[in-house]
Amino acid sequence: DAGITQSPRHKVTETGTPVTLRCHQTENHRYMYWYRQDPGHGLRLIHYSYGVKDTDKGEVSDGYSVSRSKTEDFLLTLESATSSQTSVYFCAISPGLLSSYEQYFGPGTRLTVT
Amino acid sequence: DQQVKQNSPSLSVQEGRISILNCDYTNSMFDYFLWYKKYPAEGPTFLISISSIKDKNEDGRFTVFLNKSAKHLSLHIVPSQPGDSAVYFCAASEGNTPLVFGKGTRLSVIA
Repeated sequence: DAGITQSPRHKVTETGTPVTLRCHQTENHRYMYWYRQDPGHGLRLIHYSYGVKDTDKGEVSDGYSVSRSKTEDFLLTLESATSSQTSVYFCAISPGLLSSYEQYFGPGTRLTVT
Repeated sequence: DQQVKQNSPSLSVQEGRISILNCDYTNSMFDYFLWYKKYPAEGPTFLISISSIKDKNEDGRFTVFLNKSAKHLSLHIVPSQPGDSAVYFCAASEGNTPLVFGKGTRLSVIA
């Protein structure tokens, strides 16, 4: 199994509070991704990183920011959580972005915004 | 507009029979296609992939077929086993861009 951990695994927070989710990898892969999974929507890309301090937006980036200060860590921040951000969040990694590279996913973080 | 579509939210198959999961796409520039499998409370795991220069790729009980003219791919599982019960995601990519995922199909294999 690829070495990817996510923390916390579960979190309940109130509307309007900031929340940071952490993804940590031990594979030294260049690319890291944050997805959210919702019923009826599948997996949707929030942001991804192609190196330290290099990030780009995905399909559903509004309300989220990311940071990558080290190769192994990719942080997802909800500046002011809303109920629509209740979801399961998955981090993924890959050695490259080219089509032929598979992505390896972490175990997920279940976030509930009340 | 969804570029990768899995039009069947769920599929039920008897153990030992064939499971066929379908996926349609709209972007003719997609050059790589993947299937992921997801169990509850776990992250998705890679299952099988196919390049657009091929029309079939096989790995044990799993075979993926690609029909570029119809912009359609399918995943065949033969024989189906109860442990195959999971959500299956189809994904596609174009060159140097992130994967685009479908909404998933929940497969139930009945013993």
